[in-house]
Formats: sequence, C-alpha cells, structure tokens
Amino acid sequence: AQRVTQPEKLLSVFKGAPVELKCNYSYSGSPELFWYVQYSRQRLQLLLRHISRESIKGFTADLNKGETSFHLKKPFAQEEDSAMYYCALRYTGNQFYFGTGTSLTVIP
Amino acid sequence: EAGVAQSPRYKIIEKRQSVAFWCNPISGHATLYWYQQILGQGPKLLIQFQNNGVVDDSQLPKDRFSAERLKGVDSTLKIQPAKLEDSAVYLCASSLVAAYNEQFFGPGTRLTVL
Repeated sequence: AQRVTQPEKLLSVFKGAPVELKCNYSYSGSPELFWYVQYSRQRLQLLLRHISRESIKGFTADLNKGETSFHLKKPFAQEEDSAMYYCALRYTGNQFYFGTGTSLTVIP
Repeated sequence: EAGVAQSPRYKIIEKRQSVAFWCNPISGHATLYWYQQILGQGPKLLIQFQNNGVVDDSQLPKDRFSAERLKGVDSTLKIQPAKLEDSAVYLCASSLVAAYNEQFFGPGTRLTVL
C-alpha cells in the first residue's frame, strides 16, 4: 500500500539555521512527490514538486529512490517559513496521499 | 483569478443530522477533489471527479457520504447521518486536467458534530 510518513510533527529552528523536513514514502510504482504548505490563516498551496526540480522560496527537495525519501531543505530558515508542511504522493493515476504534516516554527 | 470557493465556512450539527457542503472550482478546472482533514492529520482524499464522472471514491464512506458534480462544475458533498467522528475540515480542490497540474485548495468547511 502507498504511504507517506513525516516523522516530525513539530520542528523548531532558529532564524538563519538550516532546516530539513523529512518525508519517506512507500509505493511500488514510479512515485511522484510534492510538498504543500499552509501558512497561518491561508489555504493549503503547492510549494514544489519533484519533477520540476525547482527551488521555491529557497526550498529544494530531491527524490531519493534508494532511500524512498523526499526531504525538504533550506539552507537558511526565515521567520516567514513558519508554517505547516505536508508531503504528498501521487499514485495510480491521479489519486493523492498526504502525510500527517510537520509544523515548522522559525525562532527569531 | 478567483480561487476555489466553499460554503459554508463553519457548520455545527448534532449527530444523526444531515449536512451538505458546496464547492465551486476555478473556472475551466476539470478535476475536482474532496478531502477530509481530521485535526492533527493530513488531508485524506474522499472522492475525485473528472468533469462530472467519478475517478476515485475508494475512501468515501458510502453508507453515509455522497457527492455529486452535476454539469461538471460545482460539487456538493453530503453526510447523512453524521457521526461524531465526522468532525473535521472538509477541503475542496481543483486542477486543470490531470493531477500533474497543481491542485488549488479552497478555504475549507469546518464541521463540528456534537
């Protein structure tokens, strides 16, 4: 069965420190992975997807098929990065499976 | 560009009552999703429409939940009768055609079942 695991419910880092939000997946097919973000009082929105290999707001994520991971990284955290982050997996067509989310707090 | 609209934003009902949620996707978006997000969990896909046809409803509790998307535009999600465990935020999202396209989420409807 397909699964997405985000082991950290809460993560706090200081401003300017590196941040890594972990995501592991379980899927026998070819995975397509996404990171979604929800800022306070805002809607859930796409941050980035692995097939685009892009950097959004300084965040990057590399798909590691050997470790079945898709960790989200940023070298220098900013206060405005404080939000809820969800890793999501697309499987068998267009169905999505979301992880339980990690709440990131960047301490000034 | 107008975003995905949902109503009502909040709803409080007693168990065994019925409730309906409405979603208006972004114009031109063929794919529409309904998610259930229980407190402390990620969104769980309930049903996915492609135009007015159902693509996936494997996680929809069909004994009490129903959804329709007449004319391939607006959609309604109904719960009848509601249970305490249905308390959650119900999110609607839409995308252009396939899930490769970005999903745009609505603000959600927060349901409390007493």
